[in-house]
Amino acid sequence: QKEVEQNSGPLSVPEGAIASLNCTYSDRGSQSFFWYRQYSGKSPELIMFIYSNGDKEDGRFTAQLNKASQYVSLLIRDSQPSDSATYLCAVRGNQGAQKLVFGQGTRLTINP
Amino acid sequence: GAGVSQSPSNKVTEKGKDVELRCDPISGHTALYWYRQRLGQGLEFLIYFQGNSAPDKSGLPSDRFSAERTGESVSTLTIQRTQQEDSAVYLCASSPSGGPGELFFGEGSRLTVL
Repeated sequence: QKEVEQNSGPLSVPEGAIASLNCTYSDRGSQSFFWYRQYSGKSPELIMFIYSNGDKEDGRFTAQLNKASQYVSLLIRDSQPSDSATYLCAVRGNQGAQKLVFGQGTRLTINP
Repeated sequence: GAGVSQSPSNKVTEKGKDVELRCDPISGHTALYWYRQRLGQGLEFLIYFQGNSAPDKSGLPSDRFSAERTGESVSTLTIQRTQQEDSAVYLCASSPSGGPGELFFGEGSRLTVL
């Protein structure tokens, strides 16, 4: 079982709709969770991080964490063509495991 | 510069040759990571340095791969006797102590092994 799993997509969403990206992780002791965006040919850049169960909102982006289900998601409201990219979920384990493990990424396309 | 700097940006080499990739992290960042990204794939963890602690080498795929870091500055990733399957983009990232643990990535070194 992979440590961090994502649906590779592609996920196609019409402009203005909500895009929903999902991620599951295997280490129940994981403490912090990150969403990165990677445009084609570019390096990943951080969108959001979340530590606690529940929702965290930042502009059009909402991260959701459910530690009991070992599940983290990213919602993008009012999707724009500029949101088209690969979205990478990353998970950091407990105190003794500081490495950040990435999922394979979900390719998102927003259709005008 | 203000960001993570990696060199070379592109490297083409012949199978069996050794290559060295360099990463200059953001000044003051104590943590440094190396990842490998094959075409169309996610980021594969290779190695993690944190200050003067022993590095986490658990992601290095074989003994042909090694990395060093001098204090909290420059790191080099060395691949000996390169193979075609080593072709990938090698990404370096640094992170400050404290805070959320956000990684700041360099632009990567694209390695092509012929």
